[in-house]
Amino acid sequence: DAKTTQPPSMDCAEGRAANLPCNHSTISGNEYVYWYRQIHSQGPQYIIHGLKNNETNEMASLIITEDRKSSTLILPHATLRDTAVYYCIVRYTPGSARQLTFGSGTQLTVLP
Amino acid sequence: KAGVTQTPRYLIKTRGQQVTLSCSPISGHRSVSWYQQTPGQGLQFLFEYFSETQRNKGNFPGRFSGRQFSNSRSEMNVSTLELGDSALYLCASSLGFLGAPDETQYFGPGTRLLVL
Repeated sequence: DAKTTQPPSMDCAEGRAANLPCNHSTISGNEYVYWYRQIHSQGPQYIIHGLKNNETNEMASLIITEDRKSSTLILPHATLRDTAVYYCIVRYTPGSARQLTFGSGTQLTVLP
Repeated sequence: KAGVTQTPRYLIKTRGQQVTLSCSPISGHRSVSWYQQTPGQGLQFLFEYFSETQRNKGNFPGRFSGRQFSNSRSEMNVSTLELGDSALYLCASSLGFLGAPDETQYFGPGTRLLVL
């Protein structure tokens, strides 16, 4: 799986959009971008994933650049409960090793 | 639809004892993966089960074992506990089909194991 680079920490004001970047410059054409988050001492929570098109669900939006070398997770209206470590993962699923590998992630702190 | 459930949520054991953790996947999911998470090592893959068979295994000693039942529920066992086994043990479930283009794993809340 391709390696990802994320900033170690970010702050965001409550009610504002949180934009979390992820660099995955070695991504290959069949690798998906996944985002999970983990609130302290809880199990990681799946947020969203995509291949090359932008994706949106009830939790967040995922913007993938045209060259697919980077992506941004957007939480449109951050709340205090969004404070967590956010992990960006790049992986190829069909027929390949199935385990997830989390990097260091980004500690997002939403400030009141 | 109910999420992944893990029992117990917290456990305290002493060195040398053994422990069994349980995981119930999301209904319809046939793959269960186990992970160990520690502050120092991060998230590390233990093993994956699909249709009662271990399909993939991480780099852990033989003291760590698992099994899966016909209803897809899974257990993992750690024998002869060591202090370093203190960790958050996470279970993740997925549909499990190798040909699925975007297979997503969903995690349970974890079992916090403390070895004294």
